[in-house]
Amino acid sequence: QKEVEQDPGPLSVPEGAIVSLNCTYSNSAFQYFMWYRQYSRKGPELLMYTYSSGNKEDGRFTAQVDKSSKYISLFIRDSQPSDSATYLCAMTPLGWGKFQFGAGTQVVVTP
Amino acid sequence: EAQVTQNPRYLITVTGKKLTVTCSQNMNHEYMSWYRQDPGLGLRQIYYSMNVEVTDKGDVPEGYKVSRKEKRNFPLILESPSPNQTSLYFCASSPDGSGYTFGSGTRLTVV
Repeated sequence: QKEVEQDPGPLSVPEGAIVSLNCTYSNSAFQYFMWYRQYSRKGPELLMYTYSSGNKEDGRFTAQVDKSSKYISLFIRDSQPSDSATYLCAMTPLGWGKFQFGAGTQVVVTP
Repeated sequence: EAQVTQNPRYLITVTGKKLTVTCSQNMNHEYMSWYRQDPGLGLRQIYYSMNVEVTDKGDVPEGYKVSRKEKRNFPLILESPSPNQTSLYFCASSPDGSGYTFGSGTRLTVV
């Protein structure tokens, strides 16, 4: 079993809808949780990061971490066609440099 | 511009012919790392480095070598490439082992 599980999708939503993405994990040592966005033929770019449990909001993006359930989520409000990309979750025991990524969820926002 | 630069972007080589993929960052980051990305498997960490002359294995280090002689450079060496090393490779750097900044990727084909 993988340490980080993420549904590969694709997840198709109409423009303006809320996109809901999530990952589950098994290693309780993970303390730092990130979401990356990857456009086709590009490197991943860091969207959001959260330390330990809680919520974090940045514009249209909200990240949630529930360490008791080993579950993290990313919500994208008012989705746009430009949000069409693959979204990857990542996590690490803080400061070690060793990361585990989910397989990525492909999101398609249709006009 | 702050960035991670890797070269070449595309490389086709033959089995057994030693090759090096270079990686350089201009952000004075302590941590650097190499990943490979394969369909259905997501991003998997090959090696990472916490500082000059300090490296450690990721999840898939077999068949790869790295060195960190200078802070800004972190080359990936394939001593005897095999077809199962055909993949998309990403170099990344981080100031403190938290969120990584990724390069644009190197698509390697071993025939």
